[in-house]
Amino acid sequence: GDSVIQMQGQVTLSENDFLFINCTYSTTGYPTLFWYVQYSGEGPQLLLQVTTANNKGSSRGFEATYDKGTTSFHLQKTSVQEIDSAVYYCAMTSSGSWQLIFGSGTQLTVMP
Amino acid sequence: GGIITQTPKFLIGQEGQKLTLKCQQNFNHDTMYWYRQDSGKGLRLIYYSITENDLQKGDLSEGYDASREKKSSFSLTVTSAQKNEMAVFLCASTPGQGSYEQYFGPGTRLTVL
Repeated sequence: GDSVIQMQGQVTLSENDFLFINCTYSTTGYPTLFWYVQYSGEGPQLLLQVTTANNKGSSRGFEATYDKGTTSFHLQKTSVQEIDSAVYYCAMTSSGSWQLIFGSGTQLTVMP
Repeated sequence: GGIITQTPKFLIGQEGQKLTLKCQQNFNHDTMYWYRQDSGKGLRLIYYSITENDLQKGDLSEGYDASREKKSSFSLTVTSAQKNEMAVFLCASTPGQGSYEQYFGPGTRLTVL
């Protein structure tokens, strides 16, 4: 069945460090891929999405490339700030339905 | 712009009690969702509704009922609250018609005593 895997449950960095959050997916067809961000006390909000394979999405300094070959959609940011501390969810559309399949989330903590 | 409102923000109930969570959206979106968020387990779909009076079960529908009385509102009922289902419940909506982006409410935190 469809699935999204985020292996990193928690990531702790210092300000100005490079961020890399791993995401791989499994499905048939060509899903749309998403990254959502959830700040403390709020609901998740869309960070970026990519519909077409081999394209890159970017927002607020974050970027992710839809790699059909490795079925990956890793999230990167060159220099993180304390305000980036949040939970990050990778997600994809599920073929033939209005559902999104979410990964288990990665808690990012950025130390000042 | 629009907003999703979830009430109550905090819900405390007794084990075995029937509890109802409410969600309202003013986006005029067709499709609405209920998710349960447990720490370390991501978002798991309970129910969704493609249009008014439609209901579709998600992977976690056992122990829950839902109701889409009108386009703007979607309610979730915990039929018999259990201690192991203390979590945050998130409501979301999407416009449909080719757009899959989901817009989320702030959540209802359920505590079962």
